[in-house]
Amino acid sequence: GQNIDQPTEMTATEGAIVQINCTYQTSGFNGLFWYQQHAGEAPTFLSYNVLDGLEEKGRFSSFLSRSKGYSYLLLKELQMKDSASYLCAFMDSNYQLIWGAGTKLIIKP
Amino acid sequence: GAVVSQHPSRVICKSGTSVKIECRSLDFQATTMFWYRQFPKQSLMLMATSNEGSKATYEQGVEKDKFLINHASLTLSTLTVTSAHPEDSSFYICSARYGSVRETQYFGPGTRLLVL
Repeated sequence: GQNIDQPTEMTATEGAIVQINCTYQTSGFNGLFWYQQHAGEAPTFLSYNVLDGLEEKGRFSSFLSRSKGYSYLLLKELQMKDSASYLCAFMDSNYQLIWGAGTKLIIKP
Repeated sequence: GAVVSQHPSRVICKSGTSVKIECRSLDFQATTMFWYRQFPKQSLMLMATSNEGSKATYEQGVEKDKFLINHASLTLSTLTVTSAHPEDSSFYICSARYGSVRETQYFGPGTRLLVL
Protein backbone atom coordinates (compact mmCIF):
# COMPACT_ATOMS: atom_id res chain seq x y z
CA GLY A 1 0.00 0.00 0.00
CA GLN A 2 0.86 3.63 0.01
CA ASN A 3 1.10 6.01 2.90
CA ILE A 4 2.80 9.22 3.87
CA ASP A 5 3.34 10.67 7.30
CA GLN A 6 4.49 13.97 8.73
CA PRO A 7 4.13 15.58 12.17
CA THR A 8 0.91 17.43 12.80
CA GLU A 9 2.40 20.52 14.39
CA MET A 10 5.78 22.01 15.25
CA THR A 11 6.84 25.15 17.07
CA ALA A 12 10.04 27.10 16.53
CA THR A 13 11.56 30.45 17.40
CA GLU A 14 12.09 33.36 15.03
CA GLY A 15 15.65 33.30 13.69
CA ALA A 16 16.16 29.63 14.47
CA ILE A 17 16.29 26.53 12.25
CA VAL A 18 13.58 23.90 11.98
CA GLN A 19 13.46 20.54 10.21
CA ILE A 20 10.15 19.04 9.14
CA ASN A 21 10.30 15.33 8.45
CA CYS A 22 8.23 13.28 6.04
CA THR A 23 8.23 9.51 5.67
CA TYR A 24 6.49 7.56 2.96
CA GLN A 25 5.87 4.07 1.69
CA THR A 26 5.13 3.26 -1.92
CA SER A 27 6.04 0.68 -4.52
CA GLY A 28 6.43 3.24 -7.28
CA PHE A 29 8.12 6.59 -6.79
CA ASN A 30 8.58 9.54 -9.11
CA GLY A 31 9.73 12.26 -6.80
CA LEU A 32 8.78 14.13 -3.66
CA PHE A 33 7.34 17.64 -3.43
CA TRP A 34 7.12 20.16 -0.63
CA TYR A 35 4.48 22.87 -0.66
CA GLN A 36 3.78 25.75 1.71
CA GLN A 37 0.20 26.62 2.55
CA HIS A 38 -0.79 29.69 4.55
CA ALA A 39 -4.11 29.56 6.35
CA GLY A 40 -7.00 30.09 3.96
CA GLU A 41 -4.78 30.05 0.91
CA ALA A 42 -3.81 27.49 -1.72
CA PRO A 43 -0.46 25.68 -1.59
CA THR A 44 2.60 27.17 -3.22
CA PHE A 45 5.43 25.06 -4.60
CA LEU A 46 8.67 24.95 -2.60
CA SER A 47 10.77 22.06 -3.86
CA TYR A 48 10.96 18.83 -5.82
CA ASN A 49 13.44 16.02 -5.15
CA VAL A 50 13.73 12.95 -7.32
CA LEU A 51 17.34 11.99 -6.57
CA ASP A 52 18.91 11.37 -3.17
CA GLY A 53 20.56 14.29 -1.51
CA LEU A 54 20.06 17.86 -0.45
CA GLU A 55 18.61 20.62 -2.64
CA GLU A 56 19.20 24.11 -1.35
CA LYS A 57 17.10 27.08 -2.34
CA GLY A 58 17.77 30.17 -0.27
CA ARG A 59 16.59 29.73 3.31
CA PHE A 60 14.84 26.48 2.41
CA SER A 61 16.49 23.13 1.73
CA SER A 62 14.94 19.76 1.00
CA PHE A 63 16.52 16.35 1.46
CA LEU A 64 15.56 12.97 0.07
CA SER A 65 16.62 9.41 0.84
CA ARG A 66 14.76 7.02 -1.46
CA SER A 67 16.11 3.90 0.24
CA LYS A 68 14.74 5.09 3.58
CA GLY A 69 11.50 6.56 2.24
CA TYR A 70 12.41 9.77 4.00
CA SER A 71 12.52 13.45 3.24
CA TYR A 72 12.90 16.60 5.25
CA LEU A 73 12.39 20.30 4.69
CA LEU A 74 14.88 22.52 6.46
CA LEU A 75 14.01 26.13 7.12
CA LYS A 76 16.77 28.49 8.27
CA GLU A 77 16.65 31.98 9.75
CA LEU A 78 12.98 31.57 10.51
CA GLN A 79 10.74 34.56 9.97
CA MET A 80 7.25 35.13 11.31
CA LYS A 81 5.89 34.88 7.77
CA ASP A 82 7.10 31.26 7.67
CA SER A 83 4.21 30.35 9.96
CA ALA A 84 2.17 28.07 7.71
CA SER A 85 1.40 24.45 6.98
CA TYR A 86 4.00 22.51 5.05
CA LEU A 87 2.73 19.69 2.87
CA CYS A 88 4.84 16.88 1.54
CA ALA A 89 3.61 14.76 -1.34
CA PHE A 90 5.16 11.98 -3.35
CA MET A 91 4.40 11.15 -6.96
CA ASP A 92 3.52 7.50 -7.38
CA SER A 93 4.02 5.15 -10.31
CA ASN A 94 0.90 6.59 -11.99
CA TYR A 95 2.38 10.09 -11.63
CA GLN A 96 -0.34 10.96 -9.15
CA LEU A 97 0.49 13.06 -6.11
CA ILE A 98 -0.17 11.41 -2.75
CA TRP A 99 -0.42 14.11 -0.11
CA GLY A 100 0.52 14.16 3.54
CA ALA A 101 -1.82 15.85 5.99
CA GLY A 102 0.55 18.76 6.45
CA THR A 103 2.66 20.05 9.32
CA LYS A 104 1.49 23.26 10.94
CA LEU A 105 4.55 25.32 11.82
CA ILE A 106 4.14 27.94 14.52
CA ILE A 107 6.85 30.58 14.80
CA LYS A 108 7.23 32.38 18.10
CA PRO A 109 9.09 35.67 18.57
CA GLY B 1 5.48 32.58 -14.61
CA ALA B 2 3.14 29.65 -13.95
CA VAL B 3 0.23 31.66 -12.60
CA VAL B 4 -3.12 30.02 -12.07
CA SER B 5 -6.23 32.01 -11.29
CA GLN B 6 -9.49 30.84 -9.84
CA HIS B 7 -12.87 32.53 -9.76
CA PRO B 8 -14.77 33.19 -7.62
CA SER B 9 -12.60 33.26 -4.52
CA ARG B 10 -15.58 32.91 -2.24
CA VAL B 11 -19.19 31.93 -2.81
CA ILE B 12 -22.20 31.49 -0.58
CA CYS B 13 -25.22 29.76 -2.02
CA LYS B 14 -28.47 28.17 -0.97
CA SER B 15 -28.87 24.43 -0.76
CA GLY B 16 -30.01 22.96 -4.07
CA THR B 17 -28.38 25.53 -6.31
CA SER B 18 -25.45 24.93 -8.66
CA VAL B 19 -22.13 26.70 -8.44
CA LYS B 20 -19.52 27.02 -11.18
CA ILE B 21 -15.85 27.57 -10.39
CA GLU B 22 -13.38 28.60 -13.08
CA CYS B 23 -9.70 27.77 -13.17
CA ARG B 24 -7.40 29.50 -15.65
CA SER B 25 -3.71 29.14 -16.40
CA LEU B 26 -2.66 32.70 -17.21
CA ASP B 27 0.77 32.38 -18.74
CA PHE B 28 1.08 28.80 -19.88
CA GLN B 29 -0.93 26.10 -21.58
CA ALA B 30 -2.06 23.52 -19.08
CA THR B 31 -2.12 20.05 -20.56
CA THR B 32 -3.63 18.74 -17.35
CA MET B 33 -5.69 20.36 -14.63
CA PHE B 34 -6.55 18.93 -11.25
CA TRP B 35 -9.39 19.66 -8.88
CA TYR B 36 -8.89 19.24 -5.14
CA ARG B 37 -11.08 19.66 -2.12
CA GLN B 38 -9.76 20.48 1.32
CA PHE B 39 -11.77 20.36 4.52
CA PRO B 40 -10.53 22.31 7.56
CA LYS B 41 -7.33 20.95 9.06
CA GLN B 42 -7.22 18.13 6.53
CA SER B 43 -4.99 17.41 3.59
CA LEU B 44 -5.76 17.99 -0.03
CA MET B 45 -8.08 15.40 -1.55
CA LEU B 46 -7.85 14.94 -5.29
CA MET B 47 -11.30 14.93 -6.86
CA ALA B 48 -10.54 14.60 -10.54
CA THR B 49 -7.95 15.01 -13.24
CA SER B 50 -8.81 16.52 -16.59
CA ASN B 51 -6.98 16.80 -19.86
CA GLU B 52 -7.97 19.31 -22.49
CA GLY B 53 -10.61 17.97 -24.84
CA SER B 54 -11.24 14.73 -23.00
CA LYS B 55 -13.44 13.56 -20.17
CA ALA B 56 -12.23 14.02 -16.63
CA THR B 57 -11.00 11.07 -14.60
CA TYR B 58 -12.68 11.05 -11.21
CA GLU B 59 -11.26 9.62 -8.01
CA GLN B 60 -13.08 6.86 -6.24
CA GLY B 61 -15.97 8.16 -4.22
CA VAL B 62 -16.37 11.39 -6.18
CA GLU B 63 -19.71 11.60 -8.00
CA LYS B 64 -19.11 12.66 -11.58
CA ASP B 65 -22.74 13.71 -12.02
CA LYS B 66 -22.53 15.98 -9.04
CA PHE B 67 -19.15 17.51 -9.77
CA LEU B 68 -19.13 18.36 -13.47
CA ILE B 69 -15.75 19.17 -14.94
CA ASN B 70 -15.21 20.76 -18.32
CA HIS B 71 -11.71 21.31 -19.66
CA ALA B 72 -12.66 23.34 -22.70
CA SER B 73 -9.26 24.71 -23.61
CA LEU B 74 -5.62 24.53 -22.63
CA THR B 75 -6.11 27.49 -20.32
CA LEU B 76 -9.56 26.93 -18.80
CA SER B 77 -11.21 24.25 -16.71
CA THR B 78 -14.49 24.58 -14.85
CA LEU B 79 -15.94 22.68 -11.92
CA THR B 80 -19.69 22.84 -11.41
CA VAL B 81 -21.08 21.65 -8.11
CA THR B 82 -24.64 20.69 -8.98
CA SER B 83 -27.45 20.76 -6.43
CA ALA B 84 -25.06 21.80 -3.70
CA HIS B 85 -25.72 20.75 -0.12
CA PRO B 86 -24.19 21.97 3.15
CA GLU B 87 -21.82 18.99 3.23
CA ASP B 88 -20.31 20.28 -0.02
CA SER B 89 -19.05 23.34 1.83
CA SER B 90 -15.29 23.20 1.48
CA PHE B 91 -12.20 24.83 0.00
CA TYR B 92 -11.92 23.88 -3.67
CA ILE B 93 -8.51 24.28 -5.27
CA CYS B 94 -7.46 23.72 -8.84
CA SER B 95 -3.95 23.13 -10.07
CA ALA B 96 -2.46 23.06 -13.51
CA ARG B 97 0.48 21.32 -15.05
CA TYR B 98 2.17 21.79 -18.40
CA GLY B 99 4.39 19.41 -20.25
CA SER B 100 5.20 15.96 -18.95
CA VAL B 101 3.70 14.22 -15.94
CA ARG B 102 6.85 14.99 -13.97
CA GLU B 103 6.23 18.70 -14.14
CA THR B 104 5.24 20.63 -11.05
CA GLN B 105 1.62 21.43 -10.37
CA TYR B 106 0.83 25.08 -9.81
CA PHE B 107 -2.15 25.88 -7.67
CA GLY B 108 -4.86 28.45 -8.03
CA PRO B 109 -5.78 30.58 -4.99
CA GLY B 110 -8.77 28.38 -4.15
CA THR B 111 -12.51 28.93 -3.85
CA ARG B 112 -14.22 28.81 -0.51
CA LEU B 113 -17.75 27.45 -0.92
CA LEU B 114 -20.36 27.78 1.79
CA VAL B 115 -23.71 26.14 1.19
CA LEU B 116 -26.47 27.28 3.53
